[in-house]
Amino acid sequence: EVQLVESGGGLVQPGGSLRLSCVVSGFTLSDHYMDWVRQAPGRGLEWVSRTRNKAHSFTTEYAASVKGRFTISREDSKNSLYLQMNSLKTEDTAVYYCARVYCGGDCISDYWGQGTLVTVSS
Amino acid sequence: DIQMTQSPSSLSASVGDRVTITCRASQGISNFLAWFQHKAGKAPKSLIHTASSLQSGVPSRFNGSGSGTDFTLTISSLQPEDFATYYCQQYNSYPLTFGQGTKVEMK
Repeated sequence: EVQLVESGGGLVQPGGSLRLSCVVSGFTLSDHYMDWVRQAPGRGLEWVSRTRNKAHSFTTEYAASVKGRFTISREDSKNSLYLQMNSLKTEDTAVYYCARVYCGGDCISDYWGQGTLVTVSS
Repeated sequence: DIQMTQSPSSLSASVGDRVTITCRASQGISNFLAWFQHKAGKAPKSLIHTASSLQSGVPSRFNGSGSGTDFTLTISSLQPEDFATYYCQQYNSYPLTFGQGTKVEMK
């Protein structure tokens, strides 16, 4: 059974940092791209970042709203995905989801975790 | 960036109703469109990819269609477990973008 479990959320002050983790099971992480997606309170889903797999040199993509502040990374040997979030702003307050990306011709997010809440507030 | 616009933003329906949600892209995205179902406090669920291909395990009452800029998600006979918010997402180009969501509520 495919499972993704996020952790690391919490309350942080504006300008602070936080590192989110996503531990996966039921599939081989090294075979897949992975995404982070967030949902701010009362808002819709917003794609945040993607990391490709080793076969594609672990290259990354970011939304403009987080580029230069957030860094996506992975440790395939630990079945783990990370999101390092620096210089946090109040507008980064959201539930953050990790998602597995399946590439079979095209690349889509097919399994998601239940999310971890990040609150940026003074 | 490609803007995705869903309509309606919300709708009220009864069990057994046929429900249609539309999604329009600000520029052509071929068929690089996915649909997701999201219930509060739960993990989003992938329903459809490539505009019309059902994910494994998704009931056949869900149907996706369209290409280019205009897409549709249809639920042929709404079931109690289908009350949720639905999102389209384009993956033709980065940044990946979602529609604003359509909340399907019980009438």
